[in-house]
Amino acid sequence: GENVEQHPSTLSVQEGDSAVIKCTYSDSASNYFPWYKQELGKRPQLIIDIRSNVGEKKDQRIAVTLNKTAKHFSLHITETQPEDSAVYFCAASNNDMRFGAGTRLTVKP
Amino acid sequence: SAVISQKPSRDICQRGTSLTIQCQVDSQVTMMFWYRQQPGQSLTLIATANQGSEATYESGFVIDKFPISRPNLTFSTLTVSNMSPEDSSIYLCSVETGQVSTDTQYFGPGTRLTVL
Repeated sequence: GENVEQHPSTLSVQEGDSAVIKCTYSDSASNYFPWYKQELGKRPQLIIDIRSNVGEKKDQRIAVTLNKTAKHFSLHITETQPEDSAVYFCAASNNDMRFGAGTRLTVKP
Repeated sequence: SAVISQKPSRDICQRGTSLTIQCQVDSQVTMMFWYRQQPGQSLTLIATANQGSEATYESGFVIDKFPISRPNLTFSTLTVSNMSPEDSSIYLCSVETGQVSTDTQYFGPGTRLTVL
């Protein structure tokens, strides 16, 4: 089955800097890659997703890139703000969704 | 996106008892899932709730421990049976919208379970 690895487990950046979170997956048949943001005590919220027929997708300060050959995808957050502080989960899906272990992002004001 | 509610939002239970968690969606959805999230951990898929047939369980999860019902396209229940402290966790239902497989999943607010 699918195995998703996520790095780093924790990330601390200064407000205004960029943050990058990377994930690798094992199942070459996976074709859907969402990213979720989970604030403390809240449900995971979808922030961006990408499908395997696309290499990059952007939504304001958030972008995701996908390299199918290398089986890795990344989340990029630019101009970080304190409210970006949360745990971020990547996932890979080919019918069954598997999640990475999560990255705790802290944005220092 | 779908509006998803769960009941109860939290509960404290004694070991050996059972708790049934309800998940209600405001629109008909094909796929519903149940996840477990232990403190500080990632999301682990327990099972896919199939409408009109038995749920499909992931490795490590069995029907006797986590019976699931899915009577229609907007509702599902997960029961945590014969609970022990190790079952203390957040349980989340999730729904997949759209008609295509690997469509976007949205999560319910979760049920925080503490077993004493």
